[in-house]
Amino acid sequence: DTAVSQTPKYLVTQMGNDKSIKCEQNLGHDTMYWYKQDSKKFLKIMFSYNNKELIINETVPNRFSPKSPDKAHLNLHINSLELGDSAVYFCASSQDLVAGGHNEQFFGPGTRLTVL
Amino acid sequence: QKEVEQNSGPLSVPEGAIASLNCTYSDRGSQSFFWYRQYSGKSPELIMSIYSNGDKEDGRFTAQLNKASQYVSLLIRDSQPSDSATYLCAVMGTGGFKTIFGAGTRLFVKA
Repeated sequence: DTAVSQTPKYLVTQMGNDKSIKCEQNLGHDTMYWYKQDSKKFLKIMFSYNNKELIINETVPNRFSPKSPDKAHLNLHINSLELGDSAVYFCASSQDLVAGGHNEQFFGPGTRLTVL
Repeated sequence: QKEVEQNSGPLSVPEGAIASLNCTYSDRGSQSFFWYRQYSGKSPELIMSIYSNGDKEDGRFTAQLNKASQYVSLLIRDSQPSDSATYLCAVMGTGGFKTIFGAGTRLFVKA
């Protein structure tokens, strides 16, 4: 029944490691997003895919690489993790304007990443 | 100038009172406006969306939009302790894909 799911929920790792976070939505939405929420709780967009095509790529280090194998999935791979990458990462999905939606976004439960 | 600005709070109101949350935005071409509620340790949850000038009511919540003043607000009537959370204002700008979030206003409702 979960609309937007993410795995894992918690991720603790050492600096320099490579890790991935997976996201899946069963809402039939066309657009998916990755957000980073830092310790000050500011929610900042990182990437967005619409129908598997990258449409938003904010100023994010190229150590972060999103991949969308299909409309329902958007994964985030992070290379060479740094201390500053510690944050909560949220996946979200929405139905875009062209598809008749209003981009109301539904969020996954978040992945709390801690880099030691 | 920040693209979406909110008073960070905390805003403290007694139970049963009206809580008023405000937000201003800089992109005059913005099309859609949203309020999300985020409890501590949880993900943001959409509670209201508004697309045209005026008021939109849903239960105890009323969203107000004034595009000329680039101003959005959320009123919560009969505030309950369970309303205590951070409220995020979000604005979808020109182009139709990118939504910018404000930093959020923390609301405390005292029993």
